[in-house]
Amino acid sequence: ETGVTQTPRHLVMGMTNKKSLKCEQHLGHNAMYWYKQSAKKPLELMFVYSLEERVENNSVPSRFSPECPNSSHLFLHLHTLQPEDSALYLCASSQGRGGGGTGELFFGEGSRLTVL
Amino acid sequence: QKEVEQNSGPLSVPEGAIASLNCTYSDRGSQSFFWYRQYSGKSPELIMSIYSNGDKEDGRFTAQLNKASQYVSLLIRDSQPSDSATYLCAVNKSGGSYIPTFGRGTSLIVHP
Repeated sequence: ETGVTQTPRHLVMGMTNKKSLKCEQHLGHNAMYWYKQSAKKPLELMFVYSLEERVENNSVPSRFSPECPNSSHLFLHLHTLQPEDSALYLCASSQGRGGGGTGELFFGEGSRLTVL
Repeated sequence: QKEVEQNSGPLSVPEGAIASLNCTYSDRGSQSFFWYRQYSGKSPELIMSIYSNGDKEDGRFTAQLNKASQYVSLLIRDSQPSDSATYLCAVNKSGGSYIPTFGRGTSLIVHP
């Protein structure tokens, strides 16, 4: 396995469901990110973890809950979502602060979420 | 003023021409600038990074940075239909941040 892997690639859920998105990076990076990409909008930063500590929480509703158990894994737990949350959720990693990096991001293929 | 601005396009150029993509940013202290390419249905892929004023060339791609004007551009020489994609400009926040802010992206169409 190389790069950044996201699962599942596609997810359909009802508004009352609970699901999780998973991201795993095999690049030895120390920072991981969740971005949301909706049609006709810029990439929206949701969360950033550096060295397993959350360093950015960009006013994301509490129905999105991130978890970073170690520097290689990142989860996004989803519960009671709304139809407007339907989007492509992108995970990325980089060599961030403390690792001598400059924030060049390497993205996973994304998880396409549809909320009914 | 938006933090990172790009013309959404589409920018249409003939095969073999030079495509010029532009980006402006609002944070004067920003130090790191990136161009990502995103094909339809795919995730963004880093193609260029630039950190100092001037030009940086990599194959058919040239990134240009002018910090005084808060302007960064990407030139694609000898454009190919395979270059058709959305190009995202990203700028790190000032203070040595490793967290980029993205522009809306410019759609490029290279027609044969």
